[in-house]
Amino acid sequence: DAGITQSPRYKITETGRQVTLMCHQTWSHSYMFWYRQDLGHGLRLIYYSAAADITDKGEVPDGYVVSRSKTENFPLTLESATRSQTSVYFCASAQGREKLFFGSGTQLSVL
Amino acid sequence: QKEVEQNSGPLSVPEGAIASLNCTYSDRGSQSFFWYRQYSGKSPELIMFIYSNGDKEDGRFTAQLNKASQYVSLLIRDSQPSDSATYLCAVNENAGNMLTFGGGTRLMVKP
Repeated sequence: DAGITQSPRYKITETGRQVTLMCHQTWSHSYMFWYRQDLGHGLRLIYYSAAADITDKGEVPDGYVVSRSKTENFPLTLESATRSQTSVYFCASAQGREKLFFGSGTQLSVL
Repeated sequence: QKEVEQNSGPLSVPEGAIASLNCTYSDRGSQSFFWYRQYSGKSPELIMFIYSNGDKEDGRFTAQLNKASQYVSLLIRDSQPSDSATYLCAVNENAGNMLTFGGGTRLMVKP
C-alpha cells in the first residue's frame, strides 16, 4: 500500500520546456494539493482539488496548470518552465482540508 | 494577508531536555492548528493538532493553544536526537479555507 506517490523524484529541465509532475494516491481521499517549498518561503500552496474535475488556485498558481480527471491522480504541469520554478514540489492528499498526507516530493531544477 | 510566524532557529537542546517551539498567527479568527515534522530531505508529516484553548498531550508531545494571545506551542519532553527536524506550524482560519504554513523551526537535539 503505497499511499501517495510522486514521480519523478528528481527532474532537471531547461527554461521554456514543459514539465509534468505526477501524483497518485490510493486512499480515495477527496482533497489533493500541490505545494512548493523554498528556503525563506516555507510551504506555499499552488493548486488544490476538492474532487475529480474540481480544482482551484492557491497562493502561487501562476505558470502552473493542474487537472484531476480521476480521484487518484493530480498531475501538475509547468507549461513553460522558468528558473524561478526551481523548487521542491510536494503533493498531498487528505479527506478534508487539514490533516494532509504528503508525498515524498519532487526536486525540480530549471536551468 | 494571513501570516504564520516561526523562529527559523536552529533551536539547540541537550538530549533529555524539553524543547519548546513557538508559533504566532495573525488571523484572530483562526480555528484549527497543526504541527508537522519534517526531517531533512523528507516530506512533512502530521504529529499534532489542536482546536481548543489549553493543552493537548500525546506521548512526549504537548500542543498548547492560546487564542487570546494568538500563539500555539509544541513542547517535546525528554528530547531525543531522533527529534532533530524542522517543525512546521500550520493554521486554518475556518473549515472553508486552506492551511497556511509557517516557515518552520529547525530543532537540533544534541546527545
